[in-house]
Amino acid sequence: QVQLVESGGGVVQPGRSLRLSCAASGFTLRSYGIHWVRQAPGKGLEWVAVSWYYGSNEYYAESVKGRFTISRDNSKNTLYLQMNSLRAEDTGVYYCARDRWAYGDPDAPLEYWGQGTLVTVSS
Amino acid sequence: DIQMTQSPSSLSASEGDRVTITCRASQGISNSLAWFQQKPGKAPKSLIFGASSLQSGVPSRFSGSGSGTDFTLIISSLQPEDFATYYCQQYNSYPHTFGQGTKLEIK
Repeated sequence: QVQLVESGGGVVQPGRSLRLSCAASGFTLRSYGIHWVRQAPGKGLEWVAVSWYYGSNEYYAESVKGRFTISRDNSKNTLYLQMNSLRAEDTGVYYCARDRWAYGDPDAPLEYWGQGTLVTVSS
Repeated sequence: DIQMTQSPSSLSASEGDRVTITCRASQGISNSLAWFQQKPGKAPKSLIFGASSLQSGVPSRFSGSGSGTDFTLIISSLQPEDFATYYCQQYNSYPHTFGQGTKLEIK
């Protein structure tokens, strides 16, 4: 069955970096778009970024553009979110989520979600 | 960016009630609209895509409608497990923005 498992969260000081991982199983990662969505404590969902199938394209929210970068390791069926120059407002639970259809980007809905990993940016 | 506005922000209802949540987009998004359910401390669950298509395994008491800028999520007869927060999301253009959420509470 399809499974997404995030890891890499933790407590980090402002200005430092952190890399999140999203390990996929039950499907071939390279064929699907994968998104990152975050949720600040007690707040709503915020779309962060997407990596298209094959890693053929990427889009980022303005709030993270230039600081966050998505990459893939298809041999490990794993997606990464490199987060640099972290700010207090980046604190929250980060979810990775998969498109419903293979090769569906850009117009594909989300279907499967991971359980999330908590990032806390604090001095 | 496309702004998504949900109403109401919170709602109290009883088991067996019919509940309607609306979502309005700041510009037309065709039917590129999804609905999600989230319970405290849990990941969101995908309910509906394409404004009206149910994801696999979602009970038929959930339904969605709309196109363009105005969308609706209806729960026909509330069950205890339906008390949660609901979010709409447009995936017509980037960034794929979410509504602010509607918290559905037990009356």
